[in-house]
Formats: sequence, structure tokens, C-alpha cells
Amino acid sequence: AQSVTQLDSHVSVSEGTPVLLRCNYSSSYSPSLFWYVQHPNKGLQLLLKYTSAATLVKGINGFEAEFKKSETSFHLTKPSAHMSDAAEYFCVVSDPGTYKYIFGTGTRLKVLA
Amino acid sequence: NAGVTQTPKFQVLKTGQSMTLQCAQDMNHNSMYWYRQDPGMGLRLIYYSASEGTTDKGEVPNGYNVSRLNKREFSLRLESAAPSQTSVYFCASSERQNNQPQHFGDGTRLSIL
Repeated sequence: AQSVTQLDSHVSVSEGTPVLLRCNYSSSYSPSLFWYVQHPNKGLQLLLKYTSAATLVKGINGFEAEFKKSETSFHLTKPSAHMSDAAEYFCVVSDPGTYKYIFGTGTRLKVLA
Repeated sequence: NAGVTQTPKFQVLKTGQSMTLQCAQDMNHNSMYWYRQDPGMGLRLIYYSASEGTTDKGEVPNGYNVSRLNKREFSLRLESAAPSQTSVYFCASSERQNNQPQHFGDGTRLSIL
């Protein structure tokens, strides 16, 4: 069965410093993985997706993620945090054959001025 | 460019009342989903419809029913609302392929007193 673990429920960084949000997954298949961002009182917006092409995936707003099969990880990074990056981030793995998506419990990113 | 539209955006109910949450998508997607979001628990799947004419239970279906009215619309019904169903409800849609991301509505904030 597919599963996702987001290793930190809260992350705080200073503006202008790097961001690292960690995600480990478990999948019996070659997975499709996604990162979403949710700003307060909003729906979820796709940041990026991995679907077995390049292992380094670039997304919107300067975010990227690297798929590491040996570590079963799909960590989200950004070189320099901006105040507007403060939000909740979700790592998601798809479940082939059932058309379902499994969500991590989320990481709330706080950006300090 | 509406994407996924949910109505209403906010609702307050009394215990035992019923209501239907509406969701419509204009992207010609085959699959549609209903989630609930509670603090610290990520998104939990209530019901989903892999294609028009089919619906399946997700992780937390008790107390809910769904109708896939046509390809565009997927409604969620609470027959007898309970305080435990106080939550934020999200509708999502996707192509019927697991390497495709979901698109989310802005949510319905439901309080049950």
C-alpha cells in the first residue's frame, strides 16, 4: 500500500534562507509524487509533480524537489525563502489502479522577517 | 477559467440537519473526489468517483453520501449532520490517470452546532 510521511509538522526559516521540507514515501509501484501548497483559507495549488521522467523536478515560485528512489524521499527545496512562501505544504503519492491519492499530514512553513 | 467550483463557501448547521455540498468542474476531467481537512490530519478521502457513473468509498465515508450527477458535477450529502462533521470540505478533479495532478476547489467551511 502507498503511504506518505512528512517528517516535520512545522518549519521556521528566516527570509532569504533556504527551505527544506521533507517527505518520505512508500510505494509498491513506480510512484507519481506531487507537492501542493495551501495558503490560509484557500484550496490546494500544485507546486510540482514527479512522474518518472527527470529526478529533479522544477516547480512554480522557485521550488524544486528531487526524487531519490534509494532513500524513498521526495524533499521540497527552495534556495531563498520569501514571506509569501508562508503556507502549509502537502506531499502526495498516487495509488495506481484505484485513482486515489494519499496525502501527508502537511508541513506548516513559517517565514521570519 | 473557473476550474473547480464549490458551493456554498460557508455553512452553519444544527445537529441533525441535512445539506448537500455542490461541486462542479469545467476541465472535462473523468475523476472527482471529496476530502475533509481537519487540523493536523491532512486531507482524508471521503468518497471518490473514478469516472461518470461510478462512486467508491474512501477513508472516512460514514455519515456521507455522494452523487455523480454527470461528468461535471459531484455532490456530497450529509443526511443527519453531527458535530464531528465540522470540517473544511474540498472537492477535487483529475484526469483518469494517476500521473496527473488533482485540481482543487477553494473549500466549504462547515460548522455543526
